[in-house]
Amino acid sequence: EVQLVESGGALVQPEGSLRLSCAASGFTFSSYWMHWVRQAPGKGLVWVSRINSDGSSTSYADSVKGRFTISRDNAKNTLYLQMNSLRAEDTAVYYCVRGFSINYGDYWGQGTLVTVST
Amino acid sequence: EIVLTQSPATLSLSPGERATLSCRASQSISSYLAWYQQKPGQAPRLLIYDASNRATGIPARFSGSGSGTDFTLTISSLEPEDFAVYYCQQRSKWPLTFGPGTKVDIK
Repeated sequence: EVQLVESGGALVQPEGSLRLSCAASGFTFSSYWMHWVRQAPGKGLVWVSRINSDGSSTSYADSVKGRFTISRDNAKNTLYLQMNSLRAEDTAVYYCVRGFSINYGDYWGQGTLVTVST
Repeated sequence: EIVLTQSPATLSLSPGERATLSCRASQSISSYLAWYQQKPGQAPRLLIYDASNRATGIPARFSGSGSGTDFTLTISSLEPEDFAVYYCQQRSKWPLTFGPGTKVDIK
């Protein structure tokens, strides 16, 4: 059974940093593109970042470029999102998503809440 | 960035009725469109990919059609568990984008 379990969400002050993790199991993690998608409270879905299967290629939404870094450790079956210089508008549930046909999401984690506030 | 527009914003229907949801892209995306269902407090679930292909385990009452800029998700006969928010998503160009969603609620 495919499982994606996010962790690391927390309350953080503006300009602070946070690292999210996503532990994957039930599939060959190193064969899949992986993504982070976020959803602000009561709002729609926004694609944040993606990384290819070996970690050599990454992409970011303009809103997070230069502040967020996606990475993966295929030996540990874990996806990461390092978030720096956090802003109030980064407040959201962050979902870890397995890529299907690379750029669709067929399995989603339960999400982890990041709140940026004083 | 490719903008996706969904209509209507809310669709009020009764169980057993047919639901027709629309998604329009700001430029041609060929057939590179997916549909997701999201229920309150849950992660989205992939229903349809490449405009018309049902994802694994998705019931046959869900169907998708369209290409280019205009797409439709049809639920042939609404079941109680189908009342949710539906999002379309394009994978034609980065950044990947979602539509704002259509809420299907009980009339």
